[in-house]
Amino acid sequence: EVQLVESGGGLVQPGRSLRLSCAASGFTFDDYAMHWVRQAPGKGLEWVSGISWNSGSIAYADSVKGRFTISRDNAKNSLYLQMNSLRAEDTALYYCTKDTVGGAKDYWGQGTLVTVSS
Amino acid sequence: QSALTQPASVSGSPGQSITISCTGTSSDVGGYNYVSWYQQHPGKAPKLMIYEVSNRPSGVSNRFSGSKSGNTASLTISGLQAEDEADYYCSSYTSSSTLDQVFGTGTKVTVL
Repeated sequence: EVQLVESGGGLVQPGRSLRLSCAASGFTFDDYAMHWVRQAPGKGLEWVSGISWNSGSIAYADSVKGRFTISRDNAKNSLYLQMNSLRAEDTALYYCTKDTVGGAKDYWGQGTLVTVSS
Repeated sequence: QSALTQPASVSGSPGQSITISCTGTSSDVGGYNYVSWYQQHPGKAPKLMIYEVSNRPSGVSNRFSGSKSGNTASLTISGLQAEDEADYYCSSYTSSSTLDQVFGTGTKVTVL
């Protein structure tokens, strides 16, 4: 059974940093690209960042470029998101997702909540 | 990276068919056959319903179907059921890379 378990969320002040983690199991982790998708309270889905199977390709949404860094450790079956210079508008539930054909996301974690507030 | 445009809400009676549109540009929806659709019930993670415009993952009801014409993709739900009441989002590659993605604005489906 595929499982994606996010952790690392919490309450943080504007301008501070936070690191999210996603522990993957139930599939061959290093065969697939992985992504972070977020959802602000009561709002829609927003793609945040994606990373290829070997970390050779990485992409970010314009809204987080230069502040967030995605990475993965295939030996640990883990995906990460380092979030710096956090803003109130980064407040959201952050989902870890697994890619399948055509960039579709066939598995999602339950999310970890990040709240940026003073 | 502008969000794809979806109607805010669509409604129908049980047994009816409804269609949700997803409008983008030639740089995303119109440029690739990589449109996917997700269903999200309140408090739950999204669920993949359609990938590559019209393919259904194993386990998804054949009442759900997808199509595309030009820069607009569509999700049709036939034989509407109470359990179909949820939010629906489309998504597409964009032209920047095979990792860049964009989601739609989301559509609330109400079963009357």
